[in-house]
Amino acid sequence: DVVMTQSPLSLPVTLGQPASISCRSSQSLVYSDGNTYLSWFHQRPGQSPRRLIYKVSIRDSGVPDRFSGSGSNTDFTLKISRVEAEDVGIYYCMQYTHWRTFGQGTKLEIK
Amino acid sequence: EVQLVESGGGLVNPGGSLRLSCAASGITFSRAWMTWVRQAPGKGPEWVGRIKSKTDDGTTAYAAPVKGRFTISRDDSKSTLYLEMNSLKTEDTAVYYCTTDSFDFWGRGTLVTVSS
Repeated sequence: DVVMTQSPLSLPVTLGQPASISCRSSQSLVYSDGNTYLSWFHQRPGQSPRRLIYKVSIRDSGVPDRFSGSGSNTDFTLKISRVEAEDVGIYYCMQYTHWRTFGQGTKLEIK
Repeated sequence: EVQLVESGGGLVNPGGSLRLSCAASGITFSRAWMTWVRQAPGKGPEWVGRIKSKTDDGTTAYAAPVKGRFTISRDDSKSTLYLEMNSLKTEDTAVYYCTTDSFDFWGRGTLVTVSS
């Protein structure tokens, strides 16, 4: 099974400051078609996860452009350029190249 | 507007069975590949399994922890997805979500508690 490892697990951030979350996979996420299937999700307490980004860097409709995804092969990053209060919650990466596996989550909180 | 509404959760004894349903609207359900994801209390999401559309052969795939115990099925005439769970274990306790296989739409989930 592909293991997804996120860091940090806890991320205190000051409002208006940037934030960055790393996600590493135990094997390459490049599929035979050349695409890399890596998504990011945001989950607020008591809510379902919401997809923010798919295929590494494509933002979903309605996702603010302060969110960006990057990376390749086994190393991926979610960046928030300026954290807002509504960004608190847990962020998960998920690979869907080799079935589907989620990371353990990164809890973002406001300092 | 896409809506996925799960139902059927509850308290069940270890070794028992339960069937979850997910009613879909706002999507062409018959063409959609659908997935079940679960989330144990305080843990991250875990993929349970998925079913392809019938036009794409309708086959299923399951995560190792549930293979042989859980069965995913669909009724396209009712736009409904099912998860039949047998031989339930305490570690199956979780909120179970129905999602599209692209994970862009999620239901609110239904809680399954396996305990004596």
